[in-house]
Amino acid sequence: TQLLEQSPQFLSIQEGENLTVYCNSSSVFSSLQWYRQEPGEGPVLLVTVVTGGEVKKLKRLTFQFGDARKDSSLHITAAQTGDTGLYLCAGAENTGFQKLVFGTGTRLLVSP
Amino acid sequence: GAVVSQHPSRVICKSGTSVKIECRSLDFQATTMFWYRQFPKQSLMLMATSNEGSKATYEQGVEKDKFLINHASLTLSTLTVTSAHPEDSSFYICSAPDRVEYTEAFFGQGTRLTVV
Repeated sequence: TQLLEQSPQFLSIQEGENLTVYCNSSSVFSSLQWYRQEPGEGPVLLVTVVTGGEVKKLKRLTFQFGDARKDSSLHITAAQTGDTGLYLCAGAENTGFQKLVFGTGTRLLVSP
Repeated sequence: GAVVSQHPSRVICKSGTSVKIECRSLDFQATTMFWYRQFPKQSLMLMATSNEGSKATYEQGVEKDKFLINHASLTLSTLTVTSAHPEDSSFYICSAPDRVEYTEAFFGQGTRLTVV
């Protein structure tokens, strides 16, 4: 079973601070996705990275896929209270059916 | 973007009864859908892959006779929790990919099941 370990598990910061969330695995994935989930709702896709070494920016969020496609990071600049939520990375297995293996999750709390 | 609708959003049932959860792709066809379970403050764990026109594929440790999956059409998959017990209480989420060549998956809103 492929495992994706996220760190940190929980992060509590003040508005305006920067943070980085890491997603690591010993397995290679064909692609990796990042989601944010609010309590009681399904995950919402933030980004998909496919190419090793790829960097994608989404406003204040920067996503990077490791060269070996085994790890990824999410960096948030100048965090806002609206960034609060559960961040999940998910790796796609090479099955052709978009079967996702989810990371352990990082719970982010941004206080005013 | 593509939308996946899950129903009901919340359900409370008595121990021993069965509960059916529906997952619909609203504007695209999904030959494959995935069912996940999420316990409080934990990540999503894949339970099974639902295949239209054939049997579902269950992950290791998931009882197929307890979690019945039926992929009745190209837009509907159902998960029935049979003889529910309190330990089955969880957040159940479905997802559907709309393309074969990409890895984009669209998630339903989730169903909070409470067994009392």
